[in-house]
Amino acid sequence: NSKVIQTPRYLVKGQGQKAKMRCIPEKGHPVVFWYQQNKNNEFKFLINFQNQEVLQQIDMTEKRFSAECPSNSPCSLEIQSSEAGDSALYLCASSLNRHTEVFFGKGTRLTVV
Amino acid sequence: GDSVTQKQGQVTLSEDDFLFINCTYSTTTYPTLFWYVQYPGQGPQLLLKVTTANNKGISRGFEATYDKGTTSFHLQKASVQESDSAVYFCALAGTGNTGKLIFGLGTTLQVQP
Repeated sequence: NSKVIQTPRYLVKGQGQKAKMRCIPEKGHPVVFWYQQNKNNEFKFLINFQNQEVLQQIDMTEKRFSAECPSNSPCSLEIQSSEAGDSALYLCASSLNRHTEVFFGKGTRLTVV
Repeated sequence: GDSVTQKQGQVTLSEDDFLFINCTYSTTTYPTLFWYVQYPGQGPQLLLKVTTANNKGISRGFEATYDKGTTSFHLQKASVQESDSAVYFCALAGTGNTGKLIFGLGTTLQVQP
């Protein structure tokens, strides 16, 4: 059973609205990832952190998307102005380090109407 | 760059049939390879991990062997059950030391009773 907790499970937003989702990584896992999975099952890496520091992020994340992993608080991913094309399953994952197994949460399904 | 190819989009079998899912990869470094399984409404679950050190992974009756010569990492199971119906993803740990995973497009397995 996954120990990565994502909330909410479902999120419905209108175009232009902010969408925010949260993730509590598995205890003791300092590396956190965000992926977007579309309806065709394609995974798109968005960003990852080690503790509070960004390791890598893609261009999309640098524009409308923002993410953080503050100490002693859940990690979060926020879309500033939602677009229809953002409708997808957003997956948070965590790992012990950058070279070990990655464990995923159940995801937040975002629908932009 | 790094890539993973799963050519089979859908596989339909009957219970007790043999399962073989094809996966090939491309990378410039020593690969670490994974198989994940995703059930409806869930996030991906780690099924197997294989590195150049161990060459083979076995879990829950599933087996995958890494072949450097053909850059392949196929998933096999001798006798599938209806409960194995899910989407199976092959994944490659990307270069760059960030822990990012590169996923294939997935193979949907449907096992008929």
